Amino acid sequence: EAAVTQSPRNKVAVTGGKVTLSCNQTNNHNNMYWYRQDTGHGLRLIHYSYGAGSTEKGDIPDGYKASRPSQENFSLILELATPSQTSVYFCASGDARGAEQDTQYFGPGTRLLVL
Amino acid sequence: SQWGEENLQALSIQEGEDVTMNCSYKTYTTVVHWYRQDSGRGPALIILIRSNEREKRSGRLRATLDTSSQSSSLSITAAQCEDTAVYFCATAEMLSGSFNKLTFGAGTRLAVCP
Repeated sequence: EAAVTQSPRNKVAVTGGKVTLSCNQTNNHNNMYWYRQDTGHGLRLIHYSYGAGSTEKGDIPDGYKASRPSQENFSLILELATPSQTSVYFCASGDARGAEQDTQYFGPGTRLLVL
Repeated sequence: SQWGEENLQALSIQEGEDVTMNCSYKTYTTVVHWYRQDSGRGPALIILIRSNEREKRSGRLRATLDTSSQSSSLSITAAQCEDTAVYFCATAEMLSGSFNKLTFGAGTRLAVCP
């Protein structure tokens, strides 16, 4: 059973429209992350969260908001989507404490195309 | 080697060959992660090496870490077709007692078999 799931898996949006990407984890991890991956490049951190109710800015937060309403769910929101936000978005969960220290578990990704 | 804004590297080898992928990093870290990403899927951790471990093995994988030169390597022995994937190194920065920020390299696309 997949522990980190994302929806939708594919999304086509129009410039200026609002896009919400959802992530759910059943790992019971405190930390959750949103990354984007552009063709030929590594992952870049957009927002992260320490737990329900918290959101923090990552390395490239401009143009994105995040919401963590519960331990299990973490959303990424593009209020006014732009073509430069066309990318593949990955959600991950992790917990730096305990036996699984430092490991992040990734979802399957959401491919977003902004026209 | 891979890091930061460098473009994805590409390697193509034959089945049975050994291969080594290198990673250099800029900021202090006590741990380097190596992730594997299969086509159409999210990355998955394959091996993690800490600063007190200079070398770590897991099956056909071998990771090294040299903190003095700020570099790490991942070697695969006797590569198989199913090793075809993109491999990323990532350094972890502890921002708090319960949170690690990972910074990923650009990755190496490894192709084994035609």
